[in-house]
Formats: sequence, C-alpha cells, structure tokens
Amino acid sequence: SQQGEEDPQALSIQEGENATMNCSYKTSINNLQWYRQNSGRGLVHLILIRSNEREKHSGRLRVTLDTSKKSSSLLITASRAADTASYFCATRNYGQNFVFGPGTRLSVLP
Amino acid sequence: DTGVSQDPRHKITKRGQNVTFRCDPISEHNRLYWYRQTLGQGPEFLTYFQNEAQLEKSRLLSDRFSAERPKGSFSTLEIQRTEQGDSAMYLCASSPRREVIYGYTFGSGTRLTVV
Repeated sequence: SQQGEEDPQALSIQEGENATMNCSYKTSINNLQWYRQNSGRGLVHLILIRSNEREKHSGRLRVTLDTSKKSSSLLITASRAADTASYFCATRNYGQNFVFGPGTRLSVLP
Repeated sequence: DTGVSQDPRHKITKRGQNVTFRCDPISEHNRLYWYRQTLGQGPEFLTYFQNEAQLEKSRLLSDRFSAERPKGSFSTLEIQRTEQGDSAMYLCASSPRREVIYGYTFGSGTRLTVV
C-alpha cells in the first residue's frame, strides 16, 4: 500500500503561473523526497527534506514539511512547459525503503 | 557511467512465458532497488539489494518473481509464467550508502506487456 497521497491528482496551469502540490502521509517519517517523471520515463530526484527541517529551496522549487500535520507541499514557481510531468512524493521511515504516492499530473500550457 | 541502465526498454511476451530484465546501476552505488509501476500509479517497491545481498522483498514479489545481483554489480529480475497482471513498467534504482542526501537514481524502466 502507498503511504503518501498527493493532491491534487491532476493540475493544469498556464506557463508562468505557480504550481502547488501537496502530499499527506500516515506514519512517522525520517525524510521525504519529491520526484518528477516525464511520460514513459524513469523518475528524477528533485529534492529531499528531513523530518527536522521545515522548508527547503532548490532553484524554482520550494518544499515545506509539517510533521505535525503529516504533510508536505511542493511549489514550482514561474512554471514552464518543460515542467509538464507527474510529481511523486516518497516517504521513508527509519530502516525502511521509500514508499511512493500515486502522484500529481501537472500540465503547463504555453 | 552516465546513470542507471535498464534493458530491454520494451518487452512483449505471451502469457505463460518467462522474461528476464537487466539493470546496471551506477558503479559506485552499493544499493539497488526494483520497483513496479502501473499506469497512473506511483512505483511500488519489489525488492532491495545491498551489494549482492537481497535484504528485503515485498509481498508483491510472488514466487514467480526472482531477483539476483551476482557480485554486487548488475541485477536481473526474472518473472516466470507471466500473467496479464504482470504488465507494468519495471523500474530499477540505485543509491549510495548516503542516500539520505542523494536519493535514488532511477533507470528509464522496462515496459512489459503480457498478451
């Protein structure tokens, strides 16, 4: 079973707008990662946030983590058509392997 | 060594046949993972190797599935007596010991279609 659940399932925005995706999980975690997957391809690691961190930035990406609410968000600013992909959160508890959610399918329209 | 390589990219097989997939991880990564992904879903964990030792297997990995990683380098995933429900993308990933920093590096996957 998948621990993380991304929300929304699908998101469509115009180029230049910001995109926000959320991930909720059920049990305690050690860290949480976000991955991107272009259609028919493997996953690409975007960013990792540890359980003792609240926010991280990487380029146009901003990730927040609220362990009290068991949730994380991924913000992509100034979106581009090339950002069109599926985005997955993956959670990990101590000594276990990453568990992926079902993903958010983002479409950025030119 | 530019990343994780998987072979073949696509495989179409008849139900009941055996198939084998290969994964070549990044050479300095000692951890290797197999995941399965069906359309519209996230990857589901199948099994995990640290060097040549298979340390964890998901209950999704029925007795028709077997994975090996001889000498701790490349890995193979074999599915015997394939069923239509085995149709999926099979993803391999590798990571260094300090994966908490670097995360997983995924290959492009092998798409299996069982007809």
